[in-house]
Amino acid sequence: GQNIDQPTEMTATEGAIVQINCTYQTSGFNGLFWYQQHAGEAPTFLSYNVLDGLEEKGRFSSFLSRSKGYSYLLLKELQMKDSASYLCAVRDYSSASKIIFGSGTRLSIRP
Amino acid sequence: DAGITQSPRHKVTETGTPVTLRCHQTENHRYMYWYRQDPGHGLRLIHYSYGVKDTDKGEVSDGYSVSRSKTEDFLLTLESATSSQTSVYFCAIQRQGGTDTQYFGPGTRLTVL
Repeated sequence: GQNIDQPTEMTATEGAIVQINCTYQTSGFNGLFWYQQHAGEAPTFLSYNVLDGLEEKGRFSSFLSRSKGYSYLLLKELQMKDSASYLCAVRDYSSASKIIFGSGTRLSIRP
Repeated sequence: DAGITQSPRHKVTETGTPVTLRCHQTENHRYMYWYRQDPGHGLRLIHYSYGVKDTDKGEVSDGYSVSRSKTEDFLLTLESATSSQTSVYFCAIQRQGGTDTQYFGPGTRLTVL
């Protein structure tokens, strides 16, 4: 089976940097996704990692270590609009068309 | 924008009544999914489809059925709604090729009284 863990809530300051961690256990890792979800809205795709290392996309970066079953999402130059939930999700070889979501990390940005 | 619409967007119904939620896509994707989202549980897969008339169960399929008679439409039916099915329901499509990323519709908020 699969298990995904991420912190329930985090708080950070506008203009600062925040790192949201995700650990996972899976029998056949085949990719990790990060989604952003604003309150009352649908999740939107942020990033995808399948190989070890850092993927940078503007203010957002995502890192993956397959040997450690670990990923993080790094948000730089935080803005108030970054207040949202961030969902970590993993795809497994045994279920190529399905991905499993973590419960999400609710990030609050304070001025 | 992945060209996904859901209807209705909001619904209030009573226990024991049948409910059907519709997901419509405009981009001809093969894979479609139904999830429910509840506080503390994240997104959980109910059913998914890998083609017309081809469907399979997810982790929380009890009490739900689905149908896909056309590529563009994926229906989720609650045969006899219960209060435990009060939730937000999201439909998703998967864009094949590359990362095979899932993209979500706007969601349907269902309240069962």
